[in-house]
Amino acid sequence: QQQVKQSPQSLIVQKGGISIINCAYENTAFDYFPWYQQFPGKGPALLIAIRPDVSEKKEGRFTISFNKSAKQFSLHIMDSQPGDSATYFCAASVEGTRGADGLTFGKGTHLIIQP
Amino acid sequence: ETGVTQSPTHLIKTRGQQVTLRCSSQSGHNTVSWYQQALGQGPQFIFQYYREEENGRGNFPPRFSGLQFPNYSSELNVNALELDDSALYLCASSRGLAGPSTDTQYFGPGTRLTVL
Repeated sequence: QQQVKQSPQSLIVQKGGISIINCAYENTAFDYFPWYQQFPGKGPALLIAIRPDVSEKKEGRFTISFNKSAKQFSLHIMDSQPGDSATYFCAASVEGTRGADGLTFGKGTHLIIQP
Repeated sequence: ETGVTQSPTHLIKTRGQQVTLRCSSQSGHNTVSWYQQALGQGPQFIFQYYREEENGRGNFPPRFSGLQFPNYSSELNVNALELDDSALYLCASSRGLAGPSTDTQYFGPGTRLTVL
């Protein structure tokens, strides 16, 4: 059972455009929602994260939008740059387990920013 | 770059064999989590070690086992390898058990395991 569903699987955006990646979750106990960025040959790196008590969080060009009632959250990359080309993973966790359940990841989105 | 290192980088084994993967956590971190990332998939949580004890486990069979040492480095052992065990194995270290929102998990580059 996949608890975090991510779409699209791949995405091509022109330089300067907005990249949007969506995730939906099933487990209502999830209370922490990070996004990870992974470059080829590297491990995932935390990009930005949100808790369900806010509906939006912005850090630079990266914004998370969160809809608790719909159990959905999305990553927006504004003014997308070729250096943003990477695989992006959404994830979720239940903080109350003190990490014992780990992070649950989506399947990833391969983002290509065309110059 | 995180301070998490993993060895070896690549490994090829045959079905039925056993393998040991190693992870050195970032300085000051006492918690290590292991994940399996199959090709084209997101990482899947295997288990977590905190101060040499297993703190939690994902949906993986007992032939996946681990150790954490007093210096907080860790090993992942897989017995009776199967073809489906071919994947990138990632370890992530964190400061403690407050949960990922407080104790960010920093991932290493992974070990690519191929089972023939």
